[in-house]
Amino acid sequence: DTAVSQTPKYLVTQMGNDKSIKCEQNLGHDTMYWYKQDSKKFLKIMFSYNNKELIINETVPNRFSPKSPDKAHLNLHINSLELGDSAVYFCASSHRGQFNYGYTFGSGTRLTVV
Amino acid sequence: DAKTTQPPSMDCAEGRAANLPCNHSTISGNEYVYWYRQIHSQGPQYIIHGLKNNETNEMASLIITEDRKSSTLILPHATLRDTAVYYCIVRARSSGSARQLTFGSGTQMTVLP
Repeated sequence: DTAVSQTPKYLVTQMGNDKSIKCEQNLGHDTMYWYKQDSKKFLKIMFSYNNKELIINETVPNRFSPKSPDKAHLNLHINSLELGDSAVYFCASSHRGQFNYGYTFGSGTRLTVV
Repeated sequence: DAKTTQPPSMDCAEGRAANLPCNHSTISGNEYVYWYRQIHSQGPQYIIHGLKNNETNEMASLIITEDRKSSTLILPHATLRDTAVYYCIVRARSSGSARQLTFGSGTQMTVLP
């Protein structure tokens, strides 16, 4: 059973397209996150979200938007894709009341914009 | 959250103990030290965390100095599969808002056969 699963694993698309990456967790966590890892391997937080609060990193363009249909899902929608959006995107989850296990990350989605 | 300083890279011989240092001289009283690692092409993996006491789990040990300004992650018997980037993160534990985990550049540890 995969704890945090992301789909697709690889995504190649053209500039200007709109795409979505899905994330699901089966851990019963109440908070989910999206991270971006660029070619220099830096991991940057994009969003964190629970049922009460959405925190957006101020450097994230508004072309990126998280959508959470329920507590187990946090999808990432990207409009008007640009070459610079090429990166690996990681979803993660955690539970506010359980700190012994930290964050659980998915295996990543490698997005390539051509 | 306090900043951390880690060496960019280090090697460790297979079967030996790996000691990864981290400096966090501006850490405040309510901030914990977390360690994660990222094996190539995988998502980051939680290893261990602590406040001021030394901690041990099935993966590693965490030694925090008495003044809490630095810590050391110890992998007792490194294997080739422990080759990864190791991140030391300092963060206040919060039961309230959706606190974010901020990653630095980490230490690339290579276990050599």
